[in-house]
Amino acid sequence: EAGVAQSPRYKIIEKRQSVAFWCNPISGHATLYWYQQILGQGPKLLIQFQNNGVVDDSQLPKDRFSAERLKGVDSTLKIQPAKLEDSAVYLCASSLIAGVHWGEQFFGPGTRLTVL
Amino acid sequence: AQTVTQSQPEMSVQEAETVTLSCTYDTSESDYYLFWYKQPPSRQMILVIRQEAYKQQNATENRFSVNFQKAAKSFSLKISDSQLGDAAMYFCAMASGAGSYQLTFGKGTKLSVIP
Repeated sequence: EAGVAQSPRYKIIEKRQSVAFWCNPISGHATLYWYQQILGQGPKLLIQFQNNGVVDDSQLPKDRFSAERLKGVDSTLKIQPAKLEDSAVYLCASSLIAGVHWGEQFFGPGTRLTVL
Repeated sequence: AQTVTQSQPEMSVQEAETVTLSCTYDTSESDYYLFWYKQPPSRQMILVIRQEAYKQQNATENRFSVNFQKAAKSFSLKISDSQLGDAAMYFCAMASGAGSYQLTFGKGTKLSVIP
């Protein structure tokens, strides 16, 4: 079974530029999560999707971050414009189900973003 | 709100020895799950072990076991017969048993294994 795929693996941009990250979850997984992991800290949830609907985006800085999950499969996370403090690893995770009982989250390899 | 605290930023253990990583948590929920995740330098986070709060028996997965003290809100991870491949960041995390099952992570403990 293929795991969670993410691209690119690394990205370096200047502040005020835009950037987009892509995630392809495990086939059949209804729930998709985006996390931000700043160096030296644990991952922090940015947004959770159930199929193509948003379950929780309360910690997403909506003035600059946006995310979508078209057709309930792949997802894209965008930052526009980027700030220095956005430098982090962005992790995507998926799980089979959520809300009924706990479903194990499977993580992708992450995208390391450096904002100069 | 849920919080997870890992008070040991770094730990080291001799190969083949046993090490215990500490974690405390706080939640007002009665139904929740606790986890230990491993993140090797390649950064792919993998689940090591999980514990359902309603279960009194401590979870065990091969060389990994937990000491779950519900009243003390403590959830430590014991790694027996440590191997070089165990070197990684270890994150303690919890998820509420109701609603969206979002994970709240601690800051992590970096484990080094000395040959």
